[in-house]
Amino acid sequence: DSGVTQTPKHLITATGQRVTLRCSPRSGDLSVYWYQQSLDQGLQFLIHYYNGEERAKGNILERFSAQQFPDLHSELNLSSLELGDSALYFCASSNRGGGYGYTFGSGTRLTVV
Amino acid sequence: SQELEQSPQSLIVQEGKNLTINCTSSKTLYGLYWYKQKYGEGLIFLMMLQKGGEEKSHEKITAKLDEKKQQSSLHITASQPSHAGIYLCGASQAGTALIFGKGTTLSVSS
Repeated sequence: DSGVTQTPKHLITATGQRVTLRCSPRSGDLSVYWYQQSLDQGLQFLIHYYNGEERAKGNILERFSAQQFPDLHSELNLSSLELGDSALYFCASSNRGGGYGYTFGSGTRLTVV
Repeated sequence: SQELEQSPQSLIVQEGKNLTINCTSSKTLYGLYWYKQKYGEGLIFLMMLQKGGEEKSHEKITAKLDEKKQQSSLHITASQPSHAGIYLCGASQAGTALIFGKGTTLSVSS
């Protein structure tokens, strides 16, 4: 157990639908990062939150959004889902903005049918 | 933006053989991370290198950072089936998110 908890582990949904992925960071970590991993694109950075505030955006689509709550857990919202959104979604957490190591959760496998 | 290139893309070695995986950055490396991933599973942290010339070892895996070449190498000695998986290098720029190379898939045949 890495200390980073992601739920659900698996999700199957239809095109056009909206889903929410949840991440609880390791205790004491203020930063949460979201990543998308697909076979053709590899591991792509989506968005970074630090203590409730958005810090950086990567290759995140406009249909996707995220937030980090006061208890530091984060949610990634994916809407108007397309077949190409099928992927593994990981969150990672770190302390002090990342300079002291990044811990990854076990991921959520999203399948859009 | 920074890009990381890993080589080789995939590797098949016989059990007991040594191997090396390279990770080259397009920009100066401030922190270089190595992770291992079993297919479809989460990333397992292996090592973090921060200073040029730094070398770290964990069991039979050694990683080294060459700051001048903007490159890191991961060396596995006497490979075992348990070493099989995808090896990913990641780099960050002063506290920002990690960006990753596309990974090296290692298969170990017995």
